[in-house]
Amino acid sequence: DIQMTQSPSSLSASVGDRVTITCRASQSISSYLNWYQQKPGKAPKLLIYAASSLQSGVPSRFSGSGSGTDFTLTISSLQPEDFATYYCQQSYSIPRSFGQGTKLELK
Amino acid sequence: QVQLQESGPGLVKPSETLSLTCTVSGGSISSYYWSWIRQPAGKGLEWIGRIYTSGSTNYNPSLKSRVTMSVDTSKNQFSLKLSSVTAADTAVYYCARLSLVFGAFDIWGQGTMVTVSS
Repeated sequence: DIQMTQSPSSLSASVGDRVTITCRASQSISSYLNWYQQKPGKAPKLLIYAASSLQSGVPSRFSGSGSGTDFTLTISSLQPEDFATYYCQQSYSIPRSFGQGTKLELK
Repeated sequence: QVQLQESGPGLVKPSETLSLTCTVSGGSISSYYWSWIRQPAGKGLEWIGRIYTSGSTNYNPSLKSRVTMSVDTSKNQFSLKLSSVTAADTAVYYCARLSLVFGAFDIWGQGTMVTVSS
C-alpha cells in the first residue's frame, strides 16, 4: 500500500500570506496526486488533480506541483475562505490513500 | 449538475450490518467508477472501495472481508454494506464519483453520520 505523508500537520497564517503544503508518497506515483479542501461539517472539495491541474471553478491562487514522490500545494495569497483542512490523495494504485491532512488556521 | 445523496440508518448495533445507499441525480451513473469514503470524527479520510457500473469492485484490504458494494443502474444508485460493525466503524460516510481522468474524487455527497452503538 502507498502511504501519503503531509507536512506540516497544522499551519498558522494570515490573510494575504503565501502558503505551501507538502505531500510525500512512499513510492513513486507519477502525477497521480490530487488535493482536496475540507471545511468543518462539509464534504471535501477537489482543488487540484493530476498534481497540477486546477479543477474547474477553483480560484487560480491555488496551484500544485511535483511528480514521483514529492508534491506541493501552494496558495499564493490566502483569503478568509481558505482556512480549512487540506488533504492529498494518490490515485495511482489500489487501495487509494489520503494524507493525514493539514489544518490551516488563522494566525 | 450531478449530485450525490447518501441515505441509510444513522444508528447500527454492534455486530450488525451497516447499509447505505447513494443516489445519483442530474446525470447517469453509467460509465463511471463510484466510491465510498469514511471519516471518523476529528480524523482523516479512509477509502473503503469503488464500484464500476458493470459491477466490478475493488475494496480496501483493511475492510475487504466485511465490505460489499453493489450498483443498480435502473435506479441510478449504488450501495455499501459493511458487516460485523464495531464502534470503530462510527464515522461520516461519503459517496463520491471518480473522474474519468486521473481518478480524482470530483463529486461528493454531503455525507451521512453512522454511529455504532447498542
